[in-house]
Amino acid sequence: GAVVSQHPSWVICKSGTSVKIECRSLDFQATTMFWYRQFPKQSLMLMATSNEGSKATYEQGVEKDKFLINHASLTLSTLTVTSAHPEDSSFYICSARFGPEQPQHFGDGTRLSIL
Amino acid sequence: DQQVKQNSPSLSVQEGRISILNCDYTNSMFDYFLWYKKYPAEGPTFLISISSIKDKNEDGRFTVFLNKSAKHLSLHIVPSQPGDSAVYFCAASGFGNEKLTFGTGTRLTIIP
Repeated sequence: GAVVSQHPSWVICKSGTSVKIECRSLDFQATTMFWYRQFPKQSLMLMATSNEGSKATYEQGVEKDKFLINHASLTLSTLTVTSAHPEDSSFYICSARFGPEQPQHFGDGTRLSIL
Repeated sequence: DQQVKQNSPSLSVQEGRISILNCDYTNSMFDYFLWYKKYPAEGPTFLISISSIKDKNEDGRFTVFLNKSAKHLSLHIVPSQPGDSAVYFCAASGFGNEKLTFGTGTRLTIIP
């Protein structure tokens, strides 16, 4: 149980385009979903927390207009990297949990490369 | 400021022996701790957790110990198996705070 699916697993696109990443909880309803970013040889850094039906809460230093998060249902959250540039190239990973003080379950991540 | 630290970037253990992975934290507000295992090209997989009201939690071959006074937790795997070879992350959060803070990981290699 507790499977989280993330799509796509990798994407390469030109600078200036927008990229959408989907995160789905397949076998449970996720009251809260989280988006992380990982730079090489560093730990996962939380970008934002999203609760179904409400606006995402962004961590300090994360541009909310650059990284648009939508959590329209209890099983789906999306992260859109708008007008992506090479410095946005990174590994993005989502997680979901089905209740407070429950462990987060992670997707397999998306490797984003901006040319 | 690295609030969760895993000071050993790598660890090698003989198959069948005990693997002990360590984690230290500095934030006294943390009260929920988790261990995740990660294979290459996959997301972290939840292994085991412990809340601050306990000092030990066991699940099969995995046991997590928490020493609040030392702000230290450890994960014991016994007996170690080749499939345990992966990167292990500890993570922590505070009461009512959903944010997980991760350590930098320890690469465990089980030697057959």
